[in-house]
Amino acid sequence: EVQLVESGGGFVQPGGSLRLSCAASGFTVSSNYMNWVRQAPGKGLEWVAVIYRGGSTYYADSVKGRFTISRDNSKNTLYLQMNTLRPEDTAVYFCAGEKGGYDSYHFDYWGQGTLVTVSS
Amino acid sequence: QSALTQPASVSGSPGQSITISCTGSSSDIGRYNFVSWYQHPPGKAPKLIIFAVSNRPSGVSNRFSASKSGNTASLTISGLQADDQADYYCSSYTSSSSYVLFGGGTKLTVL
Repeated sequence: EVQLVESGGGFVQPGGSLRLSCAASGFTVSSNYMNWVRQAPGKGLEWVAVIYRGGSTYYADSVKGRFTISRDNSKNTLYLQMNTLRPEDTAVYFCAGEKGGYDSYHFDYWGQGTLVTVSS
Repeated sequence: QSALTQPASVSGSPGQSITISCTGSSSDIGRYNFVSWYQHPPGKAPKLIIFAVSNRPSGVSNRFSASKSGNTASLTISGLQADDQADYYCSSYTSSSSYVLFGGGTKLTVL
């Protein structure tokens, strides 16, 4: 059974930083495409970032230059380093995996999410 | 980039069928067959129910079906059940700056 478990969310002031983690089991992070997707309060889903099997990374314009997606293959864990946080980054952040390691553009597995609140 | 356009809410009685539309543009739905649908019960993880326009993952009920015409995709749920009540999101690959674009979500109420 595939499990993706996010952690690291919390309360942070504007301009601050936070690192989210997504521990995977039953699914190899390094062999598949891994994403972060977020949902602001009362809003819809928004794709944030992807890391390809080969290590290439891509970001939504709204977070480019501030967020960094990475992985630790030995820990089978995905990360999202979030810097220069803004109130509009307040959201539940989901880790989502695309199985198959190719351009499928759909998310087969999801975690339960971790809440990030940016406020003064 | 603007999200794909979905109705904010739909409703139906048990046993009935409902259809949720998802309208995009020639840069996403109209050009690519990478349309997906997700079921998202409040407080839970989203679940993939349709990928590549009309394909169901293993284990997803055949009461869920989907199609695409031009710039609009549609999800139909037949034989509505109480546990179908959730938010539903469409998504599509886009050739503009984003990797994947989501719809704004549709809240399904089973009366």
